[in-house]
Amino acid sequence: KAGVTQTPRYLIKTRGQQVTLSCSPISGHRSVSWYQQTPGQGLQFLFEYFSETQRNKGNFPGRFSGRQFSNSRSEMNVSTLELGDSALYLCASSPRTGPETQYFGPGTRLLVL
Amino acid sequence: KNEVEQSPQNLTAQEGEFITINCSYSVGISALHWLQQHPGGGIVSLFMLSSGKKKHGRLIATINIQEKHSSLHITASHPRDSAVYICAVNGGATNKLIFGTGTLLAVQP
Repeated sequence: KAGVTQTPRYLIKTRGQQVTLSCSPISGHRSVSWYQQTPGQGLQFLFEYFSETQRNKGNFPGRFSGRQFSNSRSEMNVSTLELGDSALYLCASSPRTGPETQYFGPGTRLLVL
Repeated sequence: KNEVEQSPQNLTAQEGEFITINCSYSVGISALHWLQQHPGGGIVSLFMLSSGKKKHGRLIATINIQEKHSSLHITASHPRDSAVYICAVNGGATNKLIFGTGTLLAVQP
């Protein structure tokens, strides 16, 4: 089976712009979770989607949003980008909602200038 | 205080040594995970456990629910084990993870 894929892998944006990141889970996996990793804050949970429904949301402002499609692919959107949004964004999939072993994608590295 | 604490933060070992990384947590959990992250970002799940002990190759993970403590052991360490090891916990019936700050392990030949 193909692993979790994320696109794009690298992205450069400027402050105030918005960005959409995409995650394709392993075939048959219905849960997709998103995480942000920064040098200062480490890994932090953004949200989890299961069967197109948001199951849980981390402590992030409303500028961070996401959705999941009927084929389990997920997107996350960040509007009005700030310098502090520069980070590695990781998604992870699992067959069901948790607790489950999660399979991580390679991440999207976002740089906000 | 972080909900998930790891020690040590940095660890240097010689090839062949036995390595232990510790994780303590202060919240109720449904499961605990050990993850490995190599330079470049990719994260691999090593173990998920809610009780007892699990073994995979040279890696052993244990958890003591009463003491809210888990350990990851690496036997006969090798330079390819060099990575960041991260402890993370599930607080309920979701995949939401709360992460420790990670342990940077360097195994020298």
